[in-house]
Amino acid sequence: QKEVEQNSGPLSVPEGAIASLNCTYSDRGSQSFFWYRQYSGKSPELIMSIYSNGDKEDGRFTAQLNKASQYVSLLIRDSQPSDSATYLCAALTGGGNKLTFGTGTQLKVEL
Amino acid sequence: DAGVTQSPTHLIKTRGQQVTLRCSPKSGHDTVSWYQQALGQGPQFIFQYYEEEERQRGNFPDRFSGHQFPNYSSELNVNALLLGDSALYLCASTVSGAPPTDTQYFGPGTRLTVL
Repeated sequence: QKEVEQNSGPLSVPEGAIASLNCTYSDRGSQSFFWYRQYSGKSPELIMSIYSNGDKEDGRFTAQLNKASQYVSLLIRDSQPSDSATYLCAALTGGGNKLTFGTGTQLKVEL
Repeated sequence: DAGVTQSPTHLIKTRGQQVTLRCSPKSGHDTVSWYQQALGQGPQFIFQYYEEEERQRGNFPDRFSGHQFPNYSSELNVNALLLGDSALYLCASTVSGAPPTDTQYFGPGTRLTVL
């Protein structure tokens, strides 16, 4: 079992719709979770971080964390073509020293 | 405020050669981590440096080594390059002792191609 798992996609949504990206993790010691956006050939860019159960909202983005189910999600409202990218879920593990990433979910927002 | 910088941007080497990649952390950061991202995969943790010492290491062979300098900048060295070492190498910096909610900031990466 991989430590952080994501559906590789691609996930296609029409412009203006809500995109829902999901991630599960296996290490119950993980304290914090991060969503990064990565455009092709570029480095990861932080979208959201979350460490408490529940929802955290920032503009069009909402991160959700359920530690009992070991589940993290990212909702993107009013999806735009510029949101088309790979979204990486990461957990802070190893005593808080390293990020463990999933393989990423490719999101395509169609006009 | 300068972010994380990496050099070179791109590099082409042949099998068996050695390569050195460089990273300067974000201003005020003292901890540097290196990640390898193969095509279609998420970044994989190589190791982390703090106070010029390797603090933690991922599942990478000894061909991968590093160094941190007193100004907190860091180098990643890879010996005896293999085709499978072709990847985007990412450097991330943070502050030691920061809360677990603090982010690791990534540099632009170095694209290494091994022929």
